[in-house]
Amino acid sequence: DADVTQTPRNRITKTGKRIMLECSQTKGHDRMYWYRQDPGLGLQLIYYSFDVKDINKGEISDGYSVSRQAQAKFSLSLESAIPNQTALYFCATSPASGGANTGELFFGEGSRLTVL
Amino acid sequence: AQSVTQPDIHITVSEGASLELRCNYSYGATPYLFWYVQSPGQGLQLLLKYFSGDTLVQGIKGFEAEFKRSQSSFNLRKPSVHWSDAAEYFCAVGGNNDMRFGAGTRLTVKP
Repeated sequence: DADVTQTPRNRITKTGKRIMLECSQTKGHDRMYWYRQDPGLGLQLIYYSFDVKDINKGEISDGYSVSRQAQAKFSLSLESAIPNQTALYFCATSPASGGANTGELFFGEGSRLTVL
Repeated sequence: AQSVTQPDIHITVSEGASLELRCNYSYGATPYLFWYVQSPGQGLQLLLKYFSGDTLVQGIKGFEAEFKRSQSSFNLRKPSVHWSDAAEYFCAVGGNNDMRFGAGTRLTVKP
């Protein structure tokens, strides 16, 4: 089983619909992230959370919201989806700083969202 | 603000040939540098990272990268490419909450 699991893996929706992408992890990491990947742009950070009570905006948070329901769960919502939010979305986790894996991100397999 | 440039969008090499993928960065302090690989339909996997110390770092799958502060570069190399190396490669700079990714280089391996 994957350590970082995203659901759904693929979703097609219409403009104006509310969409939630879910992420759960079994790595025991405190830090969780949502990234968006567009061809030719690499990955852009949407939101990140360093613990359950900590939520921070990333580079491109407009039009998105998140919820950290538990240490292991971090959901991304699009309240009213629009076509330019069509992209591949990745959830990632990382351990707290100071250990051998400092800075390393562990990614889920991605959620492909198409907004018509 | 930090940024990462991967000048090559797409590279094609023959199986068994050597490979070098370029990465240039802009960062205000000593950077944390990473290379990730993304196989089709998969998430990104860490190949290697540089924090400090020896500027030549070894990673998984036979990859290595060299940090050159004077050139603001962190190029990825492999002496002999295998067909299974075909993927997209991303260079990244920064830390947990300010990681910046390059646009990626797609590697095609010819038989």
